Amino acid sequence: DIVMTQSPDSLAVSLGERATINCKSSQSVLYSSNNKNYLGWYQQKPGQPPKLLIFWASTRQSGVPDRFSGSGSGTDFTLTISSLQAEDVAVYYCQQYYRTPYTFGQGTKLEI
Amino acid sequence: EVQLVESGGGLVQPGRSLRLSCAASGFTFGDYAMHWVRQAPGKGLEWVSGINWNSGSIGYADSVKGRFTISRDNAKNSLYLQMNSLRAEDTALYYCAKDSLTRSGWSDFDYWGQGTLVTVSS
Repeated sequence: DIVMTQSPDSLAVSLGERATINCKSSQSVLYSSNNKNYLGWYQQKPGQPPKLLIFWASTRQSGVPDRFSGSGSGTDFTLTISSLQAEDVAVYYCQQYYRTPYTFGQGTKLEI
Repeated sequence: EVQLVESGGGLVQPGRSLRLSCAASGFTFGDYAMHWVRQAPGKGLEWVSGINWNSGSIGYADSVKGRFTISRDNAKNSLYLQMNSLRAEDTALYYCAKDSLTRSGWSDFDYWGQGTLVTVSS
């Protein structure tokens, strides 16, 4: 199975500051035939289901504010929130969909 | 508006069975792969199972393989998860999630239901 490891486990950032969450996969999730990274990022607020933020490692889902961005390729990925807002407090998960069983990172709890 | 509504959860004794359902609306259900994802209380996300648009491709997490069966009825816009030989470690909130690609493999999950809680305890 592909193991997804996020860092840090928790993060406290001041309002308006940048937040950076890392995700590392135990093997590459880059599919060479289409040059796409099979990596997504999700946001989960308390009492709510996860919400897709980023897919193909760097494509923002429709309706997601542009302060959220994804980068990386192969085995190392980053989710960046450029200017933290109060409503961004949540747990963030990366997920690989390169190969089943699909696997998620352990989650990163983001606080103000 | 896409809606996914799970049902069928509840309290069940170890070793017993339960069948979850997910009613979908707001999109052409038969065109998309669907998945079940669970979250144990206070824990992270675990993909449980997925099924492609025509039931021709199915996958399971190792933790449920041989005990759980995913299925779908495109005529009824419904997804199912038959859970047998339930264990305490199966206790979780079970989410139904829609795949984002149309009839072309599996990818990320762009819509999720609110979940149905399964508690396995004697």
